Amino acid sequence: DVKVTQSSRYLVKRTGEKVFLECVQDMDHENMFWYRQDPGLGLRLIYFSYDVKMKEKGDIPEGYSVSREKKERFSLILESASTNQTSMYLCASAPAPDTQYFGPGTRLTVL
Amino acid sequence: GQSLEQPSEVTAVEGAIVQINCTYQTSGFYGLSWYQQHDGGAPTFLSYNGLDGLEETGRFSSFLSRSDSYGYLLLQELQMKDSASYFCALMTTDSWGKLQFGAGTQVVVTP
Repeated sequence: DVKVTQSSRYLVKRTGEKVFLECVQDMDHENMFWYRQDPGLGLRLIYFSYDVKMKEKGDIPEGYSVSREKKERFSLILESASTNQTSMYLCASAPAPDTQYFGPGTRLTVL
Repeated sequence: GQSLEQPSEVTAVEGAIVQINCTYQTSGFYGLSWYQQHDGGAPTFLSYNGLDGLEETGRFSSFLSRSDSYGYLLLQELQMKDSASYFCALMTTDSWGKLQFGAGTQVVVTP
């Protein structure tokens, strides 16, 4: 079974803080993704990576950056958290981009 | 561009069969995938159709017809635990890496 883990299920941060969300997969997948999911807006792609050190912007990259130093780990960074970044963040891993396996999600609240 | 249309909600009784249709408008795509998401949980990959026809995985089957720009997910022998949102998704050939999701169909299973 594919296993995708995320560093926290719930996280509370203050405005202006730097926030790191980590995602680890154990299936040697090339592709990894970060989404946010908000009521009424569905899943929105923030960034994805198709190889170590490679990254591509998704639909809403503003205010975020990513890091992929090792194949199994993909980190999402909020450089200066803002209240409009309060959301559910979902990481996914995939052998091909159209068959994605999601982690449990991190519910981030920015106060 | 592309868009995916699916019904917003379907209600059925335990033991029944439910078909969730997904119609799309796109000039080219790799395949159609389906995901299940329970309230408060993360999406779970269910099935993928790269070619036309039926794919069966236990009680769930998925179908694709490229000529009709249409696919469906069939849920058989419905159980209470099948109450969830179901999303169709595809990746277009001119947007590699970016999976586009439908808005989701809420399936409500009643006793």
